[in-house]
Amino acid sequence: SQQGEEDPQALSIQEGENATMNCSYKTSINNLQWYRQNSGRGLVHLILIRSNEREKHSGRLRVTLDTSKKSSSLLITASRAADTASYFCATDAAQKLVFGQGTRLTINP
Amino acid sequence: EAGVAQSPRYKIIEKRQSVAFWCNPISGHATLYWYQQILGQGPKLLIQFQNNGVVDDSQLPKDRFSAERLKGVDSTLKIQPAKLEDSAVYLCASSSPRDRSDNEQFFGPGTRLTVL
Repeated sequence: SQQGEEDPQALSIQEGENATMNCSYKTSINNLQWYRQNSGRGLVHLILIRSNEREKHSGRLRVTLDTSKKSSSLLITASRAADTASYFCATDAAQKLVFGQGTRLTINP
Repeated sequence: EAGVAQSPRYKIIEKRQSVAFWCNPISGHATLYWYQQILGQGPKLLIQFQNNGVVDDSQLPKDRFSAERLKGVDSTLKIQPAKLEDSAVYLCASSSPRDRSDNEQFFGPGTRLTVL
């Protein structure tokens, strides 16, 4: 079963705009992670936010976590064509990751 | 630091045939995972090893799938016999968490399996 549910399923924006993806989950977690997957490739870890953290930044990425609402968001600022990929949230409880279905992000030049 | 290696990258077989995938994790990573990713979906955990012991194989279809991690390093995943619904990308990942709140996983490029 997949715990995380991403919203939207697909997002298309112009280069330079910001992209926001949301993730909701159902059970208590140790941490929540975001991964990127380019077409035909493996997943690349982007950022990890622990359950006692509310916000985290890494370069152009900003992640928030609201454990009371069981939700997280990933913001990519100043998008680039190279950001075109699928983005997955994964919840970690008991050292096991459960992935959502992903958001397909397309950056148009 | 070398990443997670997987082979082959692509495999096409007919249903009822058998197939095996190989994974070499990042050096020193005690935990190894096999995931199945069907087109349009997120990865689903099949099996998790800690060194050479199985931690979780609750979602592994044991009537046709098997996996082993001899000597706690390389791992192989086998499917015998394959079904059409096994067509997917099989991802291997490894990790070396410092504590229970840190489980960043490093993924290999995956093996794309097509069952005809």
